[in-house]
Amino acid sequence: DAKTTQPTSMDCAEGRAANLPCNHSTISGNEYVYWYRQIHSQGPQYIIHGLKNNETNEMASLIITEDRKSSTLILPHATLRDTAVYYCIVRVGVSSGSARQLTFGSGTQLTVLP
Amino acid sequence: GAGVSQSPRYKVTKRGQDVALRCDPISGHVSLYWYRQALGQGPEFLTYFNYEAQQDKSGLPNDRFSAERPEGSISTLTIQRTEQRDSAMYRCASSQTETGNTIYFGEGSWLTVV
Repeated sequence: DAKTTQPTSMDCAEGRAANLPCNHSTISGNEYVYWYRQIHSQGPQYIIHGLKNNETNEMASLIITEDRKSSTLILPHATLRDTAVYYCIVRVGVSSGSARQLTFGSGTQLTVLP
Repeated sequence: GAGVSQSPRYKVTKRGQDVALRCDPISGHVSLYWYRQALGQGPEFLTYFNYEAQQDKSGLPNDRFSAERPEGSISTLTIQRTEQRDSAMYRCASSQTETGNTIYFGEGSWLTVV
């Protein structure tokens, strides 16, 4: 799976949008971009994933550049409970027909400030 | 069950002892994953199963580590002759299908080898 690069840490004011960047310049055509987060010592939690189109769900939006070499996770109105480590992961997806494990990097520590 | 359940939540063992960590995935989930997470780092893949078949064990660090899922449901991760470097959080995860995009993680088992 392609490697990803994320900033080590970011701050965001409560109520503002949090924009978390991720670079994945070696991504291949059948690899999806996944985002997970880990709040304190809890297990990682799925947020969203996408292939090439922008995606939105009740938790976040995912913006993928046209060349697919980078993406941005957007939390539209960050709350204190969104403070967590956010992992950007590139993984072969369902269209490739087989389950593959997630390979986590170091992630971005997002701190939402009151 | 409602979520991925792991036991014990905390285990302290003496160096050289064997330990067994149990994972009960979400009912009906086909794929089951084991990860290890050291403090301040992202989860590291160990092995995964589809039903009772171990599909990939490339992440197991050495032959002291083994895992099984004999009936395609509950899984056990066994560490023989534990060493201090084995101390970590061991996380289990499951997904509904072999190609499931959403992987659900348990709360983990903290292992401390003294």
